[in-house]
Amino acid sequence: SAVISQKPSRDICQRGTSLTIQCQVDSQVTMMFWYRQQPGQSLTLIATANQGSEATYESGFVIDKFPISRPNLTFSTLTVSNMSPEDSSIYLCSVETQLNTEAFFGQGTRLTVV
Amino acid sequence: GENVEQHPSTLSVQEGDSAVIKCTYSDSASNYFPWYKQELGKGPQLIIDIRSNVGEKKDQRIAVTLNKTAKHFSLHITETQPEDSAVYFCAAILAAGNKLTFGGGTRVLVKP
Repeated sequence: SAVISQKPSRDICQRGTSLTIQCQVDSQVTMMFWYRQQPGQSLTLIATANQGSEATYESGFVIDKFPISRPNLTFSTLTVSNMSPEDSSIYLCSVETQLNTEAFFGQGTRLTVV
Repeated sequence: GENVEQHPSTLSVQEGDSAVIKCTYSDSASNYFPWYKQELGKGPQLIIDIRSNVGEKKDQRIAVTLNKTAKHFSLHITETQPEDSAVYFCAAILAAGNKLTFGGGTRVLVKP
């Protein structure tokens, strides 16, 4: 397994501002992903974070709103830009240590936009 | 793409009884099926998984079964305990793309 640290664990932000969430893994991993979990809902994949190149976004998610960086094999950031109350969710980092193997999740970042 | 449906959405059981959660998937190319447990305020925790070349897998009080023909898989929890109370998610991965598609979740409540 992998130990995943997400920061911050929670935040309350003003609408129109941006928040950057960090994901740090204790070992090199092949795949890193970002998910959104709206209140009481299931998990929805936002994008795959690619090391050294642009992230691969799922339908309905765009780079201008959710810019992602992955400078190396153990670290990634997700920014939620120009936030509105509809962005209030839990944002989760997930990793796979090898291709097509178990996926592990961080503890999540609970974001509230007021 | 893949579509995963999960039932029931809520499940209440008496302590000591069994709980069963069922999921169906749409893409026959999916080959890996994990189950996650999410407690309040925490991220999902992988509790058991099964690959398409296996029909059943057990780990103490939990087991997962897979029926590839019918494209469904189930989670079985025996001798339930209050600490089993959580939201459980099934998921499926397509052979290509490594993208997890989640079911809608089942909120399990174990009553003492």
